[in-house]
Amino acid sequence: NAGVTQTPKFQVLKTGQSMTLQCAQDMNHNSMYWYRQDPGMGLRLIYYSASEGTTDKGEVPNGYNVSRLNKREFSLRLESAAPSQTSVYFCASINPEGGFNEKLFFGSGTQLSVL
Amino acid sequence: AQSVTQLGSHVSVSEGALVLLRCNYSSSVPPYLFWYVQYPNQGLQLLLKYTSAATLVKGINGFEAEFKKSETSFHLTKPSAHMSDAAEYFCAVSLSNFGNEKLTFGTGTRLTIIP
Repeated sequence: NAGVTQTPKFQVLKTGQSMTLQCAQDMNHNSMYWYRQDPGMGLRLIYYSASEGTTDKGEVPNGYNVSRLNKREFSLRLESAAPSQTSVYFCASINPEGGFNEKLFFGSGTQLSVL
Repeated sequence: AQSVTQLGSHVSVSEGALVLLRCNYSSSVPPYLFWYVQYPNQGLQLLLKYTSAATLVKGINGFEAEFKKSETSFHLTKPSAHMSDAAEYFCAVSLSNFGNEKLTFGTGTRLTIIP
């Protein structure tokens, strides 16, 4: 049981380049999330997907797009990377309908540097 | 809007001493509150959560937190610090009707254990 898998683990981009961060979960979860983590700012929600085929903006969506490809996969795309997008990105998933015993499972993160 | 504030971005305690990490919440309705831990180069793991069943919540690794409505606080404690407790700790509040997703995180507290 791999849980939440993110690829790549590290990436260096030049300003203006594009890339897609991949996330896959094997727990049959309905909801998936993308967060970014910056020093002194905690984790901030970029986008989330409550179910396959739906996506919604979080707190900091500008400069990003997402795709919920199927129930397992939720990708995050940077169309034109900017230095302000240098961060650590985390994907997470959960079945919220399961109630209070359910919890968010996090991937191990993608460290992105934009030069 | 619901939010959490963590007091102290860095806390240092001696091995064997009491650990106290502070979190205050702002919510117009009874909140669902969480503490997560992040070890270096890893994703976040759930330590414990408050869902109104009991004001004193026990979590993993000997941690516990007490919900105090009068003080709007949910501070995390551990009676005796261990070297393995060195990590970053995040308080979070759920914005979801299910009480377990759409988390808003605090800015984090880095805990250092002094041998």
